[in-house]
Amino acid sequence: GAGVSQSPSNKVTEKGKDVELRCDPISGHTALYWYRQSLGQGLEFLIYFQGNSAPDKSGLPSDRFSAERTGGSVSTLTIQRTQQEDSAVYLCASSPKGLAGAITDTQYFGPGTRLTVL
Amino acid sequence: GEDVEQSLFLSVREGDSSVINCTYTDSSSTYLYWYKQEPGAGLQLLTYIFSNMDMKQDQRLTVLLNKKDKHLSLRIADTQTGDSAIYFCAESRLSNTGKLIFGQGTTLQVKP
Repeated sequence: GAGVSQSPSNKVTEKGKDVELRCDPISGHTALYWYRQSLGQGLEFLIYFQGNSAPDKSGLPSDRFSAERTGGSVSTLTIQRTQQEDSAVYLCASSPKGLAGAITDTQYFGPGTRLTVL
Repeated sequence: GEDVEQSLFLSVREGDSSVINCTYTDSSSTYLYWYKQEPGAGLQLLTYIFSNMDMKQDQRLTVLLNKKDKHLSLRIADTQTGDSAIYFCAESRLSNTGKLIFGQGTTLQVKP
């Protein structure tokens, strides 16, 4: 597609349930990022995938959060046993190469998934 | 530290210029970005500047970078009501594998 797409656009779930959020990056982009945008916390980095390298998981807030990227394209962010503090907008971004210090590092964002945990 | 800071709110009248400011702390920043977020939407890349530049102009947008003071600004000329949004500055560093460090966003309100 022309841009980064994410699904669902909105997700309401009950505390304790698991959720999966999906991201389709721009075709040909090798780097994929997940960020979280919540009130009072701004935009926080969660995880980064680059090609076949081991992902940078340094931003994941707890072991309830995990992400996969299959076939170097689509990514799924999974949150297990959701808590109310997980309520936020989860944004996915992709970039052509994901190289720090290069303009090919420019990230293009999807519209986000708004997660509400009741 | 990792802080990127912005003022939270700016209100201007339509037709005036808007200046949104940002400060950052890490001297290893390579590229600095401005993103725009409209209500209910994702982040739209507006412009960027490489850290060895001090100015970049793109139509109504002017980015100024003072590397000594670690200060970045975005000037929007002839601000329109459609410019009302949240504006985020972000930095990318050589020490980080591509992740962006964002400011908390500046809400720009444009009054008719």
